[in-house]
Amino acid sequence: GAVVSQHPSRVICKSGTSVKIECRSLDFQATTMFWYRQFPKQSLMLMATSNEGSKATYEQGVEKDKFLINHASLTLSTLTVTSAHPEDSSFYICSARGAGADYEQYFGPGTRLTVT
Amino acid sequence: GENVEQHPSTLSVQEGDSAVIKCTYSDSASNYFPWYKQELGKRPQLIIDIRSNVGEKKDQRIAVTLNKTAKHFSLHITETQPEDSAVYFCAASKDTGRRALTFGSGTRLQVQP
Repeated sequence: GAVVSQHPSRVICKSGTSVKIECRSLDFQATTMFWYRQFPKQSLMLMATSNEGSKATYEQGVEKDKFLINHASLTLSTLTVTSAHPEDSSFYICSARGAGADYEQYFGPGTRLTVT
Repeated sequence: GENVEQHPSTLSVQEGDSAVIKCTYSDSASNYFPWYKQELGKRPQLIIDIRSNVGEKKDQRIAVTLNKTAKHFSLHITETQPEDSAVYFCAASKDTGRRALTFGSGTRLQVQP
């Protein structure tokens, strides 16, 4: 099956710093990648959708200047949390979908971000 | 946009019993309904999915039913085992636009041995 990796798996940073999370599709070309945030004991909330070579589409209430998304190639999307604050601490998960009629999204293993 | 509601939020069953989780959706254009199992700190794993041209789908102990008219779909797990204990999420999407998934709020299933 299709494999999606995420790096890092865990990161701890100080308040005010920026953190970059990478999402890679290892064995297929991901025309679309999705970024989700999941707080403890809650559901996955879609933050943004990115398509290779174009600007990301952000969900209502998600600050695009704070959560920078770059989908530079068909196998890589990055999420940068700028000027992180403790309330940004969460589990960030990406998913990727290939071209064509395949509905399925393939999820990365997630990144646990802790801002101190 | 799409809104997916999921019930119950927690479910405790005895090993060997059946478990049923129900979801409703709001957007009649949605036509893809996957179910995911998520263990603590792990990625969601697709366990079964159904498209709107099908009313029921079964895979061993897991089945999903879809009622398009009522806009609800359900997950059925038979002969539950302790390893079925996890959080289960339903989701919905459509095959136009961004094809993003909208998730339900999740059900924490506990199977008591």
